[in-house]
This record gives sequence, structure tokens and C-alpha cells, in this order.
Amino acid sequence: TQLLEQSPQFLSIQEGENLTVYCNSSSVFSSLQWYRQEPGEGPVLLVTVVTGGEVKKLKRLTFQFGDARKDSSLHITAAQPGDTGLYLCAGAGVQTGANNLFFGTGTRLTVIP
Amino acid sequence: DTEVTQTPKHLVMGMTNKKSLKCEQHMGHRAMYWYKQKAKKPPELMFVYSYEKLSINESVPSRFSPECPNSSLLNLHLHALQPEDSALYLCASSQEGVGQDTQYFGPGTRLTVL
Repeated sequence: TQLLEQSPQFLSIQEGENLTVYCNSSSVFSSLQWYRQEPGEGPVLLVTVVTGGEVKKLKRLTFQFGDARKDSSLHITAAQPGDTGLYLCAGAGVQTGANNLFFGTGTRLTVIP
Repeated sequence: DTEVTQTPKHLVMGMTNKKSLKCEQHMGHRAMYWYKQKAKKPPELMFVYSYEKLSINESVPSRFSPECPNSSLLNLHLHALQPEDSALYLCASSQEGVGQDTQYFGPGTRLTVL
């Protein structure tokens, strides 16, 4: 089993603050996805990172894939109440074919207006 | 279009009922997935279909029976469920092949077993 640990598990911050969520594993992944999920809804894809060391930006969100493809981080600048939700990282195994996604433990973010 | 649709949105059923969950995608993806998600937990993989063939079954009880009628459709047939099976059931799809791992999720079906 390829485990992904996310930290922190819970985060409550004021609007305008910055934050970073970490996703760590001892396993190598062929790619890593970040999703945001609202209660009772399906996860919505934010980004896929594939190359070790890759950095992707999505407006105020910056995603980085570790050089060894074992870890990733999500940084949010000037958080807004609309950023509230459950953030999930998910790593795809290195075997070929339809892959199981190994989900992280999740980070529940609350941005207070 | 990166949409995966699921019906119904909500389902309440008794332990003796038979019902089905449906999932559809028109992105030309050849891998489709069923996940189960309990409250405050990440999704757990149940089944994977690759080119309409079942390729992964994560030791799911036989009261859950998947079916892939064609490359766009995925069903999950439910029979004799238990209250502990109440959860959000998510369908996802992805391209098939190396480097094509991104999965796109549907909105889910909220299942309640009485």
C-alpha cells in the first residue's frame, strides 16, 4: 500500500492569510493530483503534476511536486472564503495500466471572512 | 468537456431492495472506477474497469455488483445492502495508458441504507 500523509489535517485561517498543505509519502508516484471537495460532492480536479520538481500555478494556488516524486505541496496566497473545502492529494502508482489512486488523508480548510 | 455524470444524486433503500447506480462519461476515457467515501474520510477504491473489463476488485462484498455495458457507461448494482454501506459513491474515469493517470470524478450518489 502506498500511503500519503497530509498535514495539517485541519486548518482554520482568516481571509487574506497564506497557507501551505503538505502531502508526503515514502513511495514514488508517476503523477500526483490535487483535488478540492465540497461536502456531499465529488472531488474536483485542481491540478496534475508529473515531473519531479515541477511547479504549477493556478491563480492564487501554487503546486509543487518533489524532486523524487514522493511528496507535494499546495500553497494558497491570500486565502478567500471560497477556498474553504477538503483538499485531497492523490498519487498514481508507477505500474502501467489503469491505476489505483492512493488518496491522502485530506486537509480540511476553513477560511473565515 | 471533463464531465462525469452520476444518477441518482440521492438514494434511500431498504436492506431487501435492489437498486442500481449509474455513471456516464463522454470523454473517450477507457478506464472507469467506483469509489466509496465515508464521512470525513478519503475515497476508497472499489472497482476498476479497463477497456470494459474488470481489472481491479478491491475485495468488495458480492452485494455490490459492477457492470460496464460499454465504454461510456458504468453501473453499480446493489442488493441486500447493510446500513454500514451508507456512504457517498463516486464514479471516476481516466484515459488508459502510461502517463494518463488523471481521474475525473462525478458528483457522487449519496446512498442511505435503512
